[in-house]
Amino acid sequence: QKEVEQNSGPLSVPEGAIASLNCTYSDRGSQSFFWYRQYSGKSPELIMSIYSNGDKEDGRFTAQLNKASQYVSLLIRDSQPSDSATYLCAVRDSGGGADGLTFGKGTHLIIQP
Amino acid sequence: NAGVTQTPKFQVLKTGQSMTLQCAQDMNHNSMYWYRQDPGMGLRLIYYSASEGTTDKGEVPNGYNVSRLNKREFSLRLESAAPSQTSVYFCASSEAFRQGGRGYTFGSGTRLTVV
Repeated sequence: QKEVEQNSGPLSVPEGAIASLNCTYSDRGSQSFFWYRQYSGKSPELIMSIYSNGDKEDGRFTAQLNKASQYVSLLIRDSQPSDSATYLCAVRDSGGGADGLTFGKGTHLIIQP
Repeated sequence: NAGVTQTPKFQVLKTGQSMTLQCAQDMNHNSMYWYRQDPGMGLRLIYYSASEGTTDKGEVPNGYNVSRLNKREFSLRLESAAPSQTSVYFCASSEAFRQGGRGYTFGSGTRLTVV
């Protein structure tokens, strides 16, 4: 059973600070990693993808991947109240076909004005 | 606008009733998925379709059936609804997965209550 673990939170961060969200996964063969943002009552929205060890930056967002430690993180710089949402980590293994992503249960992030 | 369209957005069923959730995408994606999302449980895969004409079970398929009608449409059917099927259902689509796949595009969801 593939597992993706996230701290459910809530994680409370002051406006303007860096929010750090973490995720661990059990399948060592995993190849693709995604971060989704989900506002209350809305559908998940893809914000970052990462496939290689190291950092990937996109605006205020940085995804970090360490396959040896089976760990992926998301940093949000200059946090804004509009970043308050649940962040879902998702993992795709190395198999072919389309057997779906495995999602973590999400971390609830609150940005305090 | 391009994307994934789900209908209906809300539905209340009585135990034992049947219904079909509809999903259509216009992004020419090969793969389509049905997930359910429950508090404390996260998103769980019900069924998926790698391509037109194929469907496979996911993590929680019991009580559901699916049809991949054509490349655009993937429907989810509850034959005899149970209160345990009260959930938010999301349809998603993606390009055929390969190294560097782009992840999913989700529909807006269907909020289903079974009483």
